[in-house]
Amino acid sequence: SQQGEEDPQALSIQEGENATMNCSYKTSINNLQWYRQNSGRGLVHLILIRSNEREKHSGRLRVTLDTSKKSSSLLITASRAADTASYFCATASGNTPLVFGKGTRLSVIA
Amino acid sequence: NAGVTQTPKFQVLKTGQSMTLQCAQDMNHEYMSWYRQDPGMGLRLIHYSVGAGITDQGEVPNGYNVSRSTTEDFPLRLLSAAPSQTSVYFCASRELAGRYNEQFFGPGTRLTVL
Repeated sequence: SQQGEEDPQALSIQEGENATMNCSYKTSINNLQWYRQNSGRGLVHLILIRSNEREKHSGRLRVTLDTSKKSSSLLITASRAADTASYFCATASGNTPLVFGKGTRLSVIA
Repeated sequence: NAGVTQTPKFQVLKTGQSMTLQCAQDMNHEYMSWYRQDPGMGLRLIHYSVGAGITDQGEVPNGYNVSRSTTEDFPLRLLSAAPSQTSVYFCASRELAGRYNEQFFGPGTRLTVL
């Protein structure tokens, strides 16, 4: 069964606005990762946050992790049309397989 | 590095036919896995391997076989295709040890079973 659950399932915003996606999970983790999938393509790793970290930045991406609430959020600032994609969170526990959520479909309208 | 490669990109099968989806990686990753992606279902793990000669089942293994004779290759076999196996299949790899578990994905194989 899938551990990560993204929210919302779909999000539509105007170019230049910020996009926030949330992920909730059920069990203890070593790290949480976010991936992007453009239509018809494989997933691409965006950012990883370890269980002892609370916030991480990478360019226009900001990820937070609250292990007490078992949740994470991905913020994309100043969105662009090229950010249109599906975004997935995945949780890692030791060397067990990554478990993916169902994803958030982001549409950025120019 | 080519990363993770998958062949074929597209395939149409008839019910009952068999085929093998190929996956190869050139990053010397110990860990390889196969996922299927269906609309609204996200990615579901089919089989995975932590090294040559070692494979294990994931969430949805029925109807699929795998083997891992080399570090580089991890083929997925459909023994008798069924329409329920119509999906997009992704192969992925990553380092097994260490604190960084970034997973690298292939471009996918779109399979249709008639």
